[in-house]
Amino acid sequence: SQQGEEDPQALSIQEGENATMNCSYKTSINNLQWYRQNSGRGLVHLILIRSNEREKHSGRLRVTLDTSKKSSSLLITASRAADTASYFCATDMFSGGYNKLIFGAGTRLAVHP
Amino acid sequence: NAGVTQTPKFQVLKTGQSMTLQCAQDMNHNSMYWYRQDPGMGLRLIYYSASEGTTDKGEVPNGYNVSRLNKREFSLRLESAAPSQTSVYFCASSEEWGNTEAFFGQGTRLTVV
Repeated sequence: SQQGEEDPQALSIQEGENATMNCSYKTSINNLQWYRQNSGRGLVHLILIRSNEREKHSGRLRVTLDTSKKSSSLLITASRAADTASYFCATDMFSGGYNKLIFGAGTRLAVHP
Repeated sequence: NAGVTQTPKFQVLKTGQSMTLQCAQDMNHNSMYWYRQDPGMGLRLIYYSASEGTTDKGEVPNGYNVSRLNKREFSLRLESAAPSQTSVYFCASSEEWGNTEAFFGQGTRLTVV
């Protein structure tokens, strides 16, 4: 089963509104990452937050991490049509002697003009 | 600086045919990975190479083999393609997998008929 699971699976909003996506995971982590994927393209890294951090900002993006609840959220403020994409959380999982990056199924965000 | 380059971008195979997906990175990263992405499933790890000279199985390795040819190149081979291997394949690299930002290629869309 997947380590990270995003919620909701799909989100539809108007330009200018805020978009919040959540990610829950199952085992202890060293860090959690968020990625964006535009249709038909590869994934692009957005933010990495470490387990000892609670909040991180990057431009219009705000990520929080609650290790006690094993959850993270990605907030996109003042959304734009160009933010339309799928968003994935990814957590590190240590097994087999190596750290692996395990992805959730993603949240599909549609921002309407 | 090309980042991560995958070839080919598209491929159609007949059941039982073999092919190799090529991946090269020019960022001097230690770790390289192959994922497959299916609708609603997010990305699943097929194989990874934590460093040059090492490879190991991920979540869904059956039906695949890999070669870490050198630090730059990591190839994925399908020995006898099956319709279940129809997917989009992504190669990725990172300085240290799981702990640092991952860079993804643009993907290979493979259809097995």
